[in-house]
Amino acid sequence: AQKITQTQPGMFVQEKEAVTLDCTYDTSDQSYGLFWYKQPSSGEMIFLIYQGSYDEQNATEGRYSLNFQKARKSANLVISASQLGDSAMYFCAMRNSNTGKLIFGQGTTLQVKP
Amino acid sequence: EAQVTQNPRYLITVTGKKLTVTCSQNMNHEYMSWYRQDPGLGLRQIYYSMNVEVTDKGDVPEGYKVSRKEKRNFPLILESPSPNQTSLYFCASSLVIAGGNSPLHFGNGTRLTVT
Repeated sequence: AQKITQTQPGMFVQEKEAVTLDCTYDTSDQSYGLFWYKQPSSGEMIFLIYQGSYDEQNATEGRYSLNFQKARKSANLVISASQLGDSAMYFCAMRNSNTGKLIFGQGTTLQVKP
Repeated sequence: EAQVTQNPRYLITVTGKKLTVTCSQNMNHEYMSWYRQDPGLGLRQIYYSMNVEVTDKGDVPEGYKVSRKEKRNFPLILESPSPNQTSLYFCASSLVIAGGNSPLHFGNGTRLTVT
C-alpha cells in the first residue's frame, strides 16, 4: 500500500527566508509521481510541483523546488524567499497507479512571519 | 484559461432535498474525480471516472451518485442529503494516470452544509 508521511504539523518562517517542508513516502511501484499542493485558508487546492520517480533532476517551479532523495524515499518541498502569501496548508501526495486516487499526507501548516 | 469549474461555491440545504454539484473541465482530461475534505479525516475520494461512461466507487461512495455522459462534465448528485454529508467537496481532473505521473487539477471547492 502507498503511504505519505508529513511529520511537521506546523512550521514558522520569517518573510524572505527559505523553508523546507518534509515528506516521506512508501510505495512498491517502480514508476510513480510525487506532488505538492497548497491549500490557503480560502480553501482551494492548488497544484505546485511534480517529481517523477525516474526524473534525474530535482523539479523546480519558480520559488518552489523539490528535494527528491529516492533511496531515502523523501520528497521535501523547499520554498525560497518566503512571502506572506505562502501562509497555507501544504500537502504532499502521490497517485495510486490503478485508480488514480491521490494519497495525501497529513499536511503541514506554514505561517510566514513579517 | 485551463481550469476545473465547480458550482456552486457555497450551498446550504436541508436534509432530504436532492442537490447536484456541477463540475466541468476545459483541458480535455480523461480522468475526473470527486473528493470530500473533513477535519481530522483529510481528503477522501468519493467517485472517479477514467473516461466517458466509465465510473467507479472511491473510498466513501455511500449517499452519492455521479455520471460521465460527456468528457468535460462530471456532476456529483446527492439524492437525499444528510447532515453527515456536510463537507468541503472538490472536483479534480487529469490526463490518463499511466505510472501515476499526471497531476490532478482541482476546482475551487464547494462548501456544503446540510441542516
